[in-house]
Amino acid sequence: QSALTQPASVSGSPGQSITISCTGTSSDVGSYNLVSWYQQHPGKAPKLMIYEVSKRPSGVSNRFSGSKSGNTASLTISGLQAEDEADYYCCSYAGSSTYVVFGGGTKLTVL
Amino acid sequence: QLQLQESGSGLVKPSQTLSLTCAVSGGSISSGGYSWSWIRQPPGKGLEWIGYIYHSGSTYYNPSLKSRVTISVDRSKNQFSLKLSSVTAADTAVYYCARVSSVFNEVNWFDPWGQGTLVTVSS
Repeated sequence: QSALTQPASVSGSPGQSITISCTGTSSDVGSYNLVSWYQQHPGKAPKLMIYEVSKRPSGVSNRFSGSKSGNTASLTISGLQAEDEADYYCCSYAGSSTYVVFGGGTKLTVL
Repeated sequence: QLQLQESGSGLVKPSQTLSLTCAVSGGSISSGGYSWSWIRQPPGKGLEWIGYIYHSGSTYYNPSLKSRVTISVDRSKNQFSLKLSSVTAADTAVYYCARVSSVFNEVNWFDPWGQGTLVTVSS
C-alpha cells in the first residue's frame, strides 16, 4: 500500500480536462510544498512534470498544472491529447524520518 | 544535457547482494549542490524510493529498506552506486537512478532519470 493515495485510473476525451488527486497526511503533503508529479509512458522512465506543487519545468506544456489544498494535491491536464495517455505518479517530501513517499500511480486513458 | 545510465547484474540469486552503478554524463556529480537517488518499480507496480546520497556525502534511506541498503559515490568516476543485501524475489524490479534537487535537505524533485535496469532475483 502506497503512502499517498491516487485513483487507479481516470479517463477523458481529447480536448477535455481531467484532474488526478493525490491524498496524503499532515506529515507529508499537508506539511510541505514539496509535491512533484511524474509522467511515465510504458517501458519508459518517469518524467518530471510539476514540482513544488505548481511549478512547471522548462519544456513542459502549460496544459499541465498543479495545486494543493490541505492534505490533497492535484494534477490537472487541460486540452487532453492522445500523447498524454500514460501513468502519473505524485511524490511528496515526508519529513526527516520517512523522507520521500510516492503515490500508487494513476493510469490516464484518452478515449 | 545531463544523462544518467544504470548498469549492473540483471540476475541475482536469493540471499545475495544486488549491485548497481549509475554513470553520470554531461555534468559533474560534484557540482550544483545536487543529490543522487535510487528508485525502483516492481513489474506492473508503482514507484518506491530507495534512498539518496546528499552532496555532502550523507545518506538517507527508506526506513523499510534501511538495514539492507548502501548508497555511495565515486566522484573520480562521476558515478554513484547501490548495494542491496539479502535480496528476495520481492526485490525484483526495474531500478532507476535519478538526480535529486533538495531544499535544506528536504527532497524537492527527481530529474533527470536513467532509463532503468531490470533486476530479477531468482535461483
